[in-house]
Amino acid sequence: EVQLVESGGGLVKPGGSLRLSCVVSGFTFSSYSVNWVRQAPGKGLEWVSSISADSGYIYYADSVRGRFTISRDNAKNSLYLQMNSLRAEDTAVYFCAREVIAVAWSAFDIWGLGTMVTVSS
Amino acid sequence: IQLTQSPSSLSASVGDRVTITCRASQGISSYLAWYQQKPGKAPKVLIYAASTLQSGVPSRFSGTGSGTDFTLTISSLQPEDFATYYCQQLNSYPYTFGQGTKLEIK
Repeated sequence: EVQLVESGGGLVKPGGSLRLSCVVSGFTFSSYSVNWVRQAPGKGLEWVSSISADSGYIYYADSVRGRFTISRDNAKNSLYLQMNSLRAEDTAVYFCAREVIAVAWSAFDIWGLGTMVTVSS
Repeated sequence: IQLTQSPSSLSASVGDRVTITCRASQGISSYLAWYQQKPGKAPKVLIYAASTLQSGVPSRFSGTGSGTDFTLTISSLQPEDFATYYCQQLNSYPYTFGQGTKLEIK
C-alpha cells in the first residue's frame, strides 16, 4: 500500500525548533519529488517546500525561506523538514505529499495524514 | 501566481449541478489541479492537468480551462461531495493554492 506517515509535530515555544519526518512505503521514493504543505487551523492549504528526487532542486515559500530546511534520505525512504525560529503563525497541520511530474502536468497525488505543530508560549 | 476561487462558499442540494471557478493572476497553461478535502482529512486529488480525471474519481467530476481561467464542475451532487475544494497551480514556484470553496448542504 502506498503510504506517507508524518511524525515529529508537537508544542514548541516561539523561537524554538522542531524536525518533522515523513516515512514513505509502497513506492520507489527515490523516483519522486516530495513536498510539505501546511494548513493553519480553520484556514486553507499553503505550500511550504519542495525537494526533487535527487535533492538537486529545492524550493521554499517566502514565508519559511531562511528558517526551514527540507531534506531527504532516499536510503531510508524519508523526508524531513527542519523548522527553526518558529513563530506563532507557523502553527498548522503539516502534510507531506508525493508529486507526480509528467511532460505537461504535475499534481500531488498521495498525501500523508499530517502532523500538528503548535507554536505557543 | 495568485489563484482566486469563487465562490468562497456554496450551498447546494443533492442532485444539483455546481461549478467552481479558479482564476490565475497570470497564465499557467494547464498546470492546474483540483483537490477535495473533508474535515480532519488530507486533501485528495480529483483533477490534474486542468481536465484529466484522477483514477478512481467519479465521472460526475470534470474540469476545464487553460491559461488563466478554470472550472471544476460536479454534475450531480452526492452526499459525499460536501467538502472543501481547492485549486492549485504547479506551473511555477512557489506553488500556490486557491483560498478554497466550501460546499455545504442546503
